[in-house]
Amino acid sequence: DAGVTQSPTHLIKTRGQQVTLRCSPISGHKSVSWYQQVLGQGPQFIFQYYEKEERGRGNFPDRFSARQFPNYSSELNVNALLLGDSALYLCASSLASSIAKNIQYFGAGTRLSVL
Amino acid sequence: QKEVEQDPGPLSVPEGAIVSLNCTYSNSAFQYFMWYRQYSRKGPELLMYTYSSGNKEDGRFTAQVDKSSKYISLFIRDSQPSDSATYLCAPEEYGGYNKLIFGAGTRLAVHP
Repeated sequence: DAGVTQSPTHLIKTRGQQVTLRCSPISGHKSVSWYQQVLGQGPQFIFQYYEKEERGRGNFPDRFSARQFPNYSSELNVNALLLGDSALYLCASSLASSIAKNIQYFGAGTRLSVL
Repeated sequence: QKEVEQDPGPLSVPEGAIVSLNCTYSNSAFQYFMWYRQYSRKGPELLMYTYSSGNKEDGRFTAQVDKSSKYISLFIRDSQPSDSATYLCAPEEYGGYNKLIFGAGTRLAVHP
């Protein structure tokens, strides 16, 4: 079975631009979470979606938005890019959202560079 | 103070050594504790998880949680060069939905 797939793998943007990152979860998984990993740090939670509804949001500005589609794939959008948005953006999928011990499986990430 | 503190290393050990990786945390509500391994330019890969206090063993890996001291450990026996990676501890915060609270990660290098 395919794991979590993310596209594109790399992206270079300039300040002020907008970017869309895409994620396809593991087959059968209905929950998708997004994390930002700045170089040298651990991933930081951005969003979680389950059944197309936003279930949780981390401490990120409104420039960050996401959505989940009927096939459970997801997009993360970032507007008005800043240099500090340069990071590895990770998508994780899991079976559900409202249970504890919700094992999250990560994709390889999209590396975003903002110049 | 960060919710999860982890020494970033780097930690360099010879092949065959026993490795001890540690984290401390502040939120006593955490119940599940994950360990992820991340190779350079890859996504985190789940190694193992434990529930509440106690030990869990999987091959050469042992995860240990002491909730009374809010201390998380991962031990690697007979370390191999292929274990060279960044190890991330990640307690799960659950409040109607789940999110992982990651430490900064410890970079481990196992040299032949």
